[in-house]
Amino acid sequence: DQQVKQNSPSLSVQEGRISILNCDYTNSMFDYFLWYKKYPAEGPTFLISISSIKDKNEDGRFTVFLNKSAKHLSLHIVPSQPGDSAVYFCAASVGGKLIFGQGTELSVKP
Amino acid sequence: EAQVTQNPRYLITVTGKKLTVTCSQNMNHEYMSWYRQDPGLGLRQIYYSMNVEVTDKGDVPEGYKVSRKEKRNFPLILESPSPNQTSLYFCASSHWRAAVNEQFFGPGTRLTVL
Repeated sequence: DQQVKQNSPSLSVQEGRISILNCDYTNSMFDYFLWYKKYPAEGPTFLISISSIKDKNEDGRFTVFLNKSAKHLSLHIVPSQPGDSAVYFCAASVGGKLIFGQGTELSVKP
Repeated sequence: EAQVTQNPRYLITVTGKKLTVTCSQNMNHEYMSWYRQDPGLGLRQIYYSMNVEVTDKGDVPEGYKVSRKEKRNFPLILESPSPNQTSLYFCASSHWRAAVNEQFFGPGTRLTVL
């Protein structure tokens, strides 16, 4: 069973607008959540993380929100830029294990 | 330059022929891990290692072996590859715990098992 789910395979937004990527999880033992970004033909690159004891973490244009009661996290990108077009993976950690979602392909149109 | 290298980048092989994919990092990272990426399934962790001589199973370890004899190297071994192991494989490393430290990923190895 998929412990981390990204239910939207793709998302298209206009340049300058907000992109919101969503992720749901089932295991309440996860203690950290992360977002990675992946361009074609490259390995994923780390974007931002959040501890399970926090509800928000911000880094420049990227903000991650965690709603533990709903077992839901989201990544906000404001403003979106064409260079943000990539596949975004959320991931959750417990111990040394890292569980990834299926990914959401973001397309930012000029 | 800080990096994770994988070799080979592309490999086509036949069922049952043992193969090894090498992974090496030059950042003195304690933690290393292997993932496979398949369409619709995202990245799935195969094995990870918290330090030298310490390895643990991830979500999909069946059919794979790993070893961590040196800190910088973490090879992935397929003793008897099967077609369902056709996939894109990534090695990654980070300082001791991936969750609180960013993982650096290698460029990937595309494996096809006929």
